[in-house]
Amino acid sequence: DAGITQSPRHKVTETGTPVTLRCHQTENHRYMYWYRQDPGHGLRLIHYSYGVKDTDKGEVSDGYSVSRSKTEDFLLTLESATSSQTSVYFCAISPSAGGHQETQYFGPGTRLLVL
Amino acid sequence: EDQVTQSPEALRLQEGESSSLNCSYTVSGLRGLFWYRQDPGKGPEFLFTLYSAGEEKEKERLKATLTKKESFLHITAPKPEDSATYLCAVQAWSGGYNKLIFGAGTRLAVHP
Repeated sequence: DAGITQSPRHKVTETGTPVTLRCHQTENHRYMYWYRQDPGHGLRLIHYSYGVKDTDKGEVSDGYSVSRSKTEDFLLTLESATSSQTSVYFCAISPSAGGHQETQYFGPGTRLLVL
Repeated sequence: EDQVTQSPEALRLQEGESSSLNCSYTVSGLRGLFWYRQDPGKGPEFLFTLYSAGEEKEKERLKATLTKKESFLHITAPKPEDSATYLCAVQAWSGGYNKLIFGAGTRLAVHP
């Protein structure tokens, strides 16, 4: 298994509160990603990082921010949680974004419920 | 618009009954096609990457093939432990980065 952990694994929060999810890797991979998975939808990219302090938006980034201060840690923050952000969140890592080293390996996920 | 469609949404098989899952895609500039397996409550687990039409990869009872418009995941003589959701994703250059576009998945149930 790729060395990826996510914390917390489950969280219940209230609308309007900030929430931070953490992804930690031990593979020293350059690229890290945050996805959300909802019934009837494929995994959708929220944000990604291509190095320390280097991040960019994915297709569903509104309401989310990210930070990467160390190679091994990628944080996802919901600035003010809404019920539409109830989802399962997955972190993924890859050594590269191309050149046949772009396979993404996923963490175990965080199940978030916003009441 | 880049799109990935998987069919069927759900498939029920008897143990030993071979079948195929389909992943059709429309992307401008395919850079790779990925298959993942996802068990309930867990993250997707990487199975295969295919890069060019005609390419095939095998792992135990699974065999993935690729054409210019679709990929198939063939399951030969499945066992109950093959029950899972199978996800297909294509990688394409879009919006300034290498984007992975996922299908919604096929839920496979194999009964003894």
